[in-house]
Amino acid sequence: DTGVSQNPRHKITKRGQNVTFRCDPISEHNRLYWYRQTLGQGPEFLTYFQNEAQLEKSRLLSDRFSAERPKGSFSTLEIQRTEQGDSAMYLCASSLDDARALNYGYTFGSGTRLTVV
Amino acid sequence: AQTVTQSQPEMSVQEAETVTLSCTYDTSESDYYLFWYKQPPSRQMILVIRQEAYKQQNATENRFSVNFQKAAKSFSLKISDSQLGDAAMYFCAYRRWGDMRFGAGTRLTVKP
Repeated sequence: DTGVSQNPRHKITKRGQNVTFRCDPISEHNRLYWYRQTLGQGPEFLTYFQNEAQLEKSRLLSDRFSAERPKGSFSTLEIQRTEQGDSAMYLCASSLDDARALNYGYTFGSGTRLTVV
Repeated sequence: AQTVTQSQPEMSVQEAETVTLSCTYDTSESDYYLFWYKQPPSRQMILVIRQEAYKQQNATENRFSVNFQKAAKSFSLKISDSQLGDAAMYFCAYRRWGDMRFGAGTRLTVKP
């Protein structure tokens, strides 16, 4: 297992276009998280999945954002009608969460840097 | 809502010296988990150290240790014998059950 993989690493798009990012978590991890990080700030929670179920969505996740994890494995994050304010690093993380593993923390991917021009 | 505050945007330490990064958090829960993550420039976040709130003993991982003060809701990170490779953004994080909440980070510079 090579850890959490995110693709693409970088994405430049024109304002108004749609973009989709992919995250492949560690295979045995049942939870998957999406965060957004702007320069000089900490990661902000967007949403998370337990297996294929999306359990929580942040108020930051506007109607233009949608995330899926169709088979409980990889996940996609789509942003429709991108705006310049969407420019950020989008981080994916995964964890194995049961009563014994809550304190293990997350394993993060390297992120996808989105630039909207 | 849980919030995590890191009051030091930047810190600097001389190589081989000791530095302490501060973190406070706000919660009404009694059982939770606290973490410090390191994010080197243009690299992924990695877990440095973790602490369970029900444990009174402070966690230690080699040169990294924490000072966990539950009543004060304080969770500071001490880095001993600082190395050039310790230079990074450091994020304090809180977790109860679901998602993890992060502070704004402290940028640590290590001077040779």
